[in-house]
Amino acid sequence: GQSLEQPSEVTAVEGAIVQINCTYQTSGFYGLSWYQQHDGGAPTFLSYNALDGLEETGRFSSFLSRSDSYGYLLLQELQMKDSASYFCASTRDYQLIWGAGTKLIIKP
Amino acid sequence: EPEVTQTPSHQVTQMGQEVILRCVPISNHLYFYWYRQILGQKVEFLVSFYNNEISEKSEIFDDQFSVERPDGSNFTLKIRSTKLEDSAMYFCASSEASGDNEQFFGPGTRLTVL
Repeated sequence: GQSLEQPSEVTAVEGAIVQINCTYQTSGFYGLSWYQQHDGGAPTFLSYNALDGLEETGRFSSFLSRSDSYGYLLLQELQMKDSASYFCASTRDYQLIWGAGTKLIIKP
Repeated sequence: EPEVTQTPSHQVTQMGQEVILRCVPISNHLYFYWYRQILGQKVEFLVSFYNNEISEKSEIFDDQFSVERPDGSNFTLKIRSTKLEDSAMYFCASSEASGDNEQFFGPGTRLTVL
């Protein structure tokens, strides 16, 4: 089967750094994407890793290890507006297979 | 900035009725997708569409569902006979290419089946 596992909820303090982990078991794996979704909103693309290593985009970084079937999203200098759900998704041909999402709660 | 649009934003229907959800993908994108998200749950893939035909579909996408690109801009999802469990947010997405490319999501249509 196809599955992605991520924590259901993570809590952090404004200004801090937080890491959201994702482990996956999917066939025909191309890469790992991360999407952000605010309550009531549409998912928006954050990053994509096709190769092992770290990809950095501003305050957000994403990491992939194919050998470990593992990736993470790192958010630095957390702001209140980062409060949202974060989904990892494996890309495979014509579809995204999604994890259940991690709700990030940020406290002042 | 180009964006995916969806109409209506909210659709209420009676069980057994047909509904058509509409999407206008980004104009230069070639791949189109429908996803659904039941309240509080994860996003689930329904179907992908390329070159005027279905590329891939999930087990959710049974005979009650169909997709169509009736003209050069619209992409529709039809549910023939709605069930209570079809109540969800339906997202349309589009991308320039398949596989590793970023998918752009529309704002969604909230379907409520009574």
